[in-house]
Amino acid sequence: ETGVTQTPRHLVMGMTNKKSLKCEQHLGHNAMYWYKQSAKKPLELMFVYSLEERVENNSVPSRFSPECPNSSHLFLHLHTLQPEDSALYLCASSHHKASGELFFGEGSRLTVL
Amino acid sequence: LAKTTQPISMDSYEGQEVNITCSHNNIATNDYITWYQQFPSQGPRFIIQGYKTKVTNEVASLFIPADRKSSTLSLPRVSLSDTAVYYCLVNQAGTALIFGKGTTLSVSS
Repeated sequence: ETGVTQTPRHLVMGMTNKKSLKCEQHLGHNAMYWYKQSAKKPLELMFVYSLEERVENNSVPSRFSPECPNSSHLFLHLHTLQPEDSALYLCASSHHKASGELFFGEGSRLTVL
Repeated sequence: LAKTTQPISMDSYEGQEVNITCSHNNIATNDYITWYQQFPSQGPRFIIQGYKTKVTNEVASLFIPADRKSSTLSLPRVSLSDTAVYYCLVNQAGTALIFGKGTTLSVSS
């Protein structure tokens, strides 16, 4: 138990669906992150939020839309995805953006048909 | 951004000490070195972080020479449950962590 909870753990969706991934942290951290991990590839940083403000967006396609309503919650809204978007999506949090100690959730396994 | 290089894979047996070395030749003055462990289908887990010399916790030790161009993660007496991917990262101040390919450690009985 890392204090970072992701739901759902598994998601199967069609290319025309709209779904959302949710992340919640109970650690009082100020920074939250979305990472993507495809099969046999390194983790890719997608988005970084610091104090609810998006501070980094690593050239992620617009079909991925993040939302951070408060410092404890982070969402990743998905629409018109492609099969190559199938991956493990990991949420993490840290005390602040410059901290090297990230606390990861267990991830949401997404399959796009 | 400091690039890191570490072996793709390593093999060991239970009870042995495992040392994984990472090179980071262009590390900056304000950068820290951080190591993570990842099991399949799980998020990475923080192991240890250091700036120079030696850091030790209940899980591992981290050795950093004076020039800081490399670092070595030392796992004492590994067990089968230590089979995982180990990532070496250089944390540039003010930026989020970028993960590389890591080292896949396989521990056999």
